[in-house]
This record gives sequence, structure tokens and C-alpha cells, in this order.
Amino acid sequence: DQQVKQNSPSLSVQEGRISILNCDYTNSMFDYFLWYKKYPAEGPTFLISISSIKDKNEDGRFTVFLNKSAKHLSLHIVPSQPGDSAVYFCAASATDQGAQKLVFGQGTRLTINP
Amino acid sequence: DVKVTQSSRYLVKRTGEKVFLECVQDMDHENMFWYRQDPGLGLRLIYFSYDVKMKEKGDIPEGYSVSREKKERFSLILESASTNQTSMYLCASSFGGTLGTQYFGPGTRLLVL
Repeated sequence: DQQVKQNSPSLSVQEGRISILNCDYTNSMFDYFLWYKKYPAEGPTFLISISSIKDKNEDGRFTVFLNKSAKHLSLHIVPSQPGDSAVYFCAASATDQGAQKLVFGQGTRLTINP
Repeated sequence: DVKVTQSSRYLVKRTGEKVFLECVQDMDHENMFWYRQDPGLGLRLIYFSYDVKMKEKGDIPEGYSVSREKKERFSLILESASTNQTSMYLCASSFGGTLGTQYFGPGTRLLVL
């Protein structure tokens, strides 16, 4: 039962253009969402998060959008840079279910082409 | 700056061996987690701990056990390693409270022959 799904295993984008990574979830109890970035042979690093009381959160080139009615979130990176090439995981948690367990999606491999 | 370290980056073990993976965090975090990452499956939670000597099963605990004797240290034990436990193992930690930002170590790539 995959509660968090990233349906695109890979995405290729031209340098300077916008990258849009998508994530869908099924559990309506999820109220906090995060994106992590992972380079090969390294652990994931936290990128940006959003609480369910908001529909948008922005941090520099990164913006996360949350559509609660569609149970969908997306990460926008603009402009895309070669250093953004990595695997991106979305994750979700339900704060009333204790211990801040995160449920992760399968990941999307983003490649930025020069 | 949060630092989570794992005892080994790469490990090769034989089927049936007992394997210990150690994780240490230096930020006084209450919560600690062990995941495995496999291609196409994302990160799957094996065990977590929200306090010293406390542990709870995650989604895939079979074949694993954990130990948390000190707040900063969380160990993952493979009682009898099998080839299907070949994977990348990731440790994470977070503060207690309601927000779930977890900080990860660099990972241990385990190969079981």
C-alpha cells in the first residue's frame, strides 16, 4: 500500500528551465510534507517543507505547492542548474500519529542538461 | 549544524553472519530511525526509537533488531544476514515534537554474499 507516490521515475530538463516534480498521496491524515534531495553515495538532505495549513512555500529557487483537495504536491525549481541533478524524494507525516514518522515516495531522478 | 554519522560507508558480509550498523547523532535529538533504500522502492522504515531503550517497528522489521542504550546512538542489527538484505541503509534523527524534519547520515551500502 503505497501511501506516497512519485509516478515519474526520471525527469530530464534543460539548464535554466523550470523543473516540476510531482507527488501524490492517499492518506488524508497527512498534514506535513517535505522534499529531500539525494546525491549518489550520500544521505538525503532536507530541501523544503510545507504544512497543510498553507498551499505554497518558497525558498529561493525552490517552491512547493500543496493541493489538499487533489492530495497532490509539487516541487518547482527555477531556474534549474546542473547541481540540481539528483534524486528527489517527497515525504509526508501525520502529526497526530506520533514519533513524526515519515512516509517516503519512490523518488524521481532529475537530470539537468547543460 | 546537525551531524549524523554511520560507522561504515561500505560493508561486505557473508550469508548467516551477524551484522551491526551503528549510527550516532550529535544534536540531542529524541527520535532516531533506520531505513533501507532500494531502487524503485524509495526509503522504507525498518525501526525507530523516540527515547532511550524505546523502539518501535516500522514497515519492514523482519530480520532486523535495534538497540538504543544511549540517546545519541542507535544500532541496527541483522541477526543472520541474507542476500535480500543487500541494500543501502540510512540512519536519521529528529527532534521530538510535531514537525517531522529528519536529518540523515551518509548511508551504509551493505552487500551480503
